[in-house]
Amino acid sequence: EVQLVESGGGLVQPGGSLRLSCAASGLTVRSNYMSWVRQAPGKGLEWVSVIYSGGSPYYADSVKGRFTISRHISKNTLYLQMNNLKPEDTAVYYCARVASVEEGYFDYWGQGSLVTVSS
Amino acid sequence: EIVLTQSPGTLSLSPGERATLSCRASQSLSSSYLAWYQQKPGQAPRLLMYAASNRATGIPDRFTGSGSGTDFTLTISRLEPEDFAVYYCQQYAGSSWTFGQGTRVDMK
Repeated sequence: EVQLVESGGGLVQPGGSLRLSCAASGLTVRSNYMSWVRQAPGKGLEWVSVIYSGGSPYYADSVKGRFTISRHISKNTLYLQMNNLKPEDTAVYYCARVASVEEGYFDYWGQGSLVTVSS
Repeated sequence: EIVLTQSPGTLSLSPGERATLSCRASQSLSSSYLAWYQQKPGQAPRLLMYAASNRATGIPDRFTGSGSGTDFTLTISRLEPEDFAVYYCQQYAGSSWTFGQGTRVDMK
C-alpha cells in the first residue's frame, strides 16, 4: 500500500523559512516523478514543483527562486524548502506522485500539511 | 501557459440526477494530458479519470470522461450521495501542470 505522509507545516512570519517533508512508503521516491501541490484556504489546487526521477527540478513561476524541491534517497523522503515566505503562500501543501510520465496525472496524494504565513 | 476554465462554478442537483461538468482549455491539448479529480472537505484530491476518458482504479462506471482539443467533459450518470464534492480538471504540459478552478456539485 502506498502512503505519503507530509510534515513540517506550521505558522511562520513573512520572510521566514520552513521545510516540508513527505515520507513515502510503498513506492520509491528516487524512481518516480514526485510533486508538491498546494491549496490556499477555500481555493483551488495549484501545482508548485516537481522533481524528476533523474533529479531535475521544476517550479511554478510563483515560487521560483524561493522554493527548492529535493529528496533523500535512503530516507525515501521528498522535501520542499520554502524561503522568503509570503502571506500568499499560506496553503495546505500536498505531496503527490506523478503516475505516468507520458500522461502527467497524480495518482497518490498525501493528507497535506498546513503552512500559515502571518505576522 | 494553458489555462483551464471549468463550468459551471456550482451545480445543484439531487441524488439520481445526471451531472455534466465542463473543462475548457485556452489552447488545444492532447487528451492524454487531461485528468479529473474529486475532492471532499478536509480530504486530499482523489484521481477519477486520466487521459480524458480512462477511469482510475476503483472508480465506478457512473463516472465518464470525454472530449478532445479544448473541450472536455466529466459526466456522472446518476448522482450518489457520496458524489457531492468539488471536481477539478488538470492538464500536463511537460514540466508544468495547471488545474481548473473547480466545479462544486451541491445537493439540492
